[in-house]
Amino acid sequence: SQKIEQNSEALNIQEGKTATLTCNYTNYSPAYLQWYRQDPGRGPVFLLLIRENEKEKRKERLKVTFDTTLKQSLFHITASQPADSATYLCAGYSSASKIIFGSGTRLSIRP
Amino acid sequence: SQTIHQWPATLVQPVGSPLSLECTVEGTSNPNLYWYRQAAGRGLQLLFYSVGIGQISSEVPQNLSASRPQDRQFILSSKKLLLSDSGFYLCAWRVKGTGNAITPNTEAFFGQGTRLTVV
Repeated sequence: SQKIEQNSEALNIQEGKTATLTCNYTNYSPAYLQWYRQDPGRGPVFLLLIRENEKEKRKERLKVTFDTTLKQSLFHITASQPADSATYLCAGYSSASKIIFGSGTRLSIRP
Repeated sequence: SQTIHQWPATLVQPVGSPLSLECTVEGTSNPNLYWYRQAAGRGLQLLFYSVGIGQISSEVPQNLSASRPQDRQFILSSKKLLLSDSGFYLCAWRVKGTGNAITPNTEAFFGQGTRLTVV
């Protein structure tokens, strides 16, 4: 079956360092992947979208890559801050109408 | 601007009782609508999606059902709740693509969620 997998449940890093989160997809080729941020008790909020023909996309301190050979997307937060602490979800489209989400990575930035 | 309303925010229901969660979207028309469930510390499980009024697709066989009586209204229901129905329920919408094409701006917009506890 089609899957989006985020293998790291949690990631703890020091403030100021770069956080790197991984998303892998199996058994399909998504036209694009998206990354969302979710704070406790809230709905996810969209951050970035990257298409399969784009190698990299940036937005302020965020960077996303899409490697169709490795079937993987990497999400980077540079100069991380405690306010970046949240769960980050990767999502892919398996058809024109459905979204499939990974289980998320809980990121903690310690001062 | 577009907004999505989901209620109630929290709900405690006894086993065997019925359920009705409602979601409405404002500021857009003919959206794709979604219901997700999120267990504690887990990812989002797609339950139902709808591409139009009366059109419901179910992803997972379960004790729940969904309906779309109006263009911007999506309802999640159950006739008899089970303990396993507890979770965080999220409604979402996104702009529909043209035909089978996917428009660039197709992120999903989520409601604030309903925390359901079945006791």
